[in-house]
Amino acid sequence: QLQLQESGPGLVKPSETLSLTCTVSGGSISSSSYYWGWIRQPPGKGLEWIGSIYYSGSTYYNPSLKSRVTISVDTSKNQFSLKLSSVTAADTAVYYCARQWIQYMDVWGQGTTVTVSS
Amino acid sequence: QSALTQPASVSGSPGQSITISCTGTSSDVGGYNYVSWYQQHPGKAPKLMIYEVSNRPSGVSNRFSGSKSGNTASLTISGLQAEDEADYYCSSYTSSSTWVVFGGGTKLTVL
Repeated sequence: QLQLQESGPGLVKPSETLSLTCTVSGGSISSSSYYWGWIRQPPGKGLEWIGSIYYSGSTYYNPSLKSRVTISVDTSKNQFSLKLSSVTAADTAVYYCARQWIQYMDVWGQGTTVTVSS
Repeated sequence: QSALTQPASVSGSPGQSITISCTGTSSDVGGYNYVSWYQQHPGKAPKLMIYEVSNRPSGVSNRFSGSKSGNTASLTISGLQAEDEADYYCSSYTSSSTWVVFGGGTKLTVL
C-alpha cells in the first residue's frame, strides 16, 4: 500500500527558506503517469496547490508562488522535496504531499505543520 | 478568493440527501472532465471521494456521487450518516497556468 510521509522543521524564521521532504513507501516514485505534488492549508482556510513534479524532473508551479518555490525529486531515495524561500507569516500552514494523476490527488501524506515565526 | 465557488455550509438530517455545488468557468469546470472532490475531517488529511466528475475510488461508499452541468459540478451524498460530517472541497484542472484549482470548501453538518 502506497504511503507518503512529510518531514522537515516545524518552525521557520521569517525571510528564511522552508524545506520539506516527502518520502514515498510501498511503491516507486518513478511510476509512469503519476506526478507528485505539494498542497498547503493555512489555519482555518482551504487547500492551495503549490506545485508538482514528474519523476523525470519536469515541474509545474502555482503562478502565485512560482518565484519562491522549487520542487525536486530524488528517485534513488524515493523522495521529493519542497523549498519555499523568503517565507512570511502568510506561509504558516499544514503542508501535504500527495500522488497526483493529471488533476486529482489520490494518496496523501498525513501533513506537517509549519509555523513561520521569529 | 478561491478560483472555484462552493457554499460555505450545508446541513441535513441522517438519512437525507444533500448536494454541494462547485461553480467555475469554461476554463476549468466547464471545459474539462477533470473535477474531483475531497472529504476532510478535522485534523486529518483530505481523502479523495470523486475523480473525473463522477468516478469513485475503490473503497468509497456508493452513497457519494458526482455530476456536472455546464460550469457547475455537484457532489451528492445520499443516506446521510453522522460520519459524513466534514469539510468537502472540489477541485478542477484549469487551462490557466495554475493547472490545479480548489474551491473554498463546504462544511457539512449532519443535524
